[in-house]
Amino acid sequence: EVQLVESGGGLVPPGGSLRLSCAVSGFAFRSHWMHWVRQAPGRGPVWVARIDYDGTEIIYADSVRGRFTISRDNAKNTLYLQMNSLKREDSAVYYCVREGHGYIPLDSWGQGAPVTVSP
Amino acid sequence: AIQMTQSPSSLSASVGERVTITCRASQGISVNLAWYQQKPGKAPNLLISGASSLQGGVPSRFSGSGSGTDFTLTISSLQPEDFATYYCLQDYNYPPTFGQGTKVEIK
Repeated sequence: EVQLVESGGGLVPPGGSLRLSCAVSGFAFRSHWMHWVRQAPGRGPVWVARIDYDGTEIIYADSVRGRFTISRDNAKNTLYLQMNSLKREDSAVYYCVREGHGYIPLDSWGQGAPVTVSP
Repeated sequence: AIQMTQSPSSLSASVGERVTITCRASQGISVNLAWYQQKPGKAPNLLISGASSLQGGVPSRFSGSGSGTDFTLTISSLQPEDFATYYCLQDYNYPPTFGQGTKVEIK
């Protein structure tokens, strides 16, 4: 069974930092591109970042570029999102998401890690 | 970024009704369009990829169509478990962008 389990969410003041982790199991982690997607309360999902198989190619949304860093450890089957200089508008549930193969887009999602940026 | 516009933003329907949700892209995206279902407190669940390919385990009452800029998700006979919010996603180019969602409620 494919499983993605996020951790590391919580309450952080503006300007603070947080590191999210996503432990995966049930599939060949090193064979999939991985993404982070976030969703603020009552809003639609918003894509945040993508990393390829080994971290060679990384893309960020304009809103987080320069503040967030996506990375992965294939030996530990774990995806990370380092979030620095956090702003109130970064408050959301953050999902770790697997990209499928071929023309299959974001096909498996974790349960989400809530992040609240507030004094 | 490509803008995805869904309509309607919400609808009320009865069990057994046929429901249609549309998604329009601000530029052509071929068939690089997916549909997701999301229930409260849960992550989105992939229903359809490539505009019309049903994912494994998804009931056949769900179908998708369209190409270029205009797409449709149809539920042929609404079931109680289908009451949820539905999102389209374009993965034609970066950044991938979602529609704003369509909430399907019980009439």
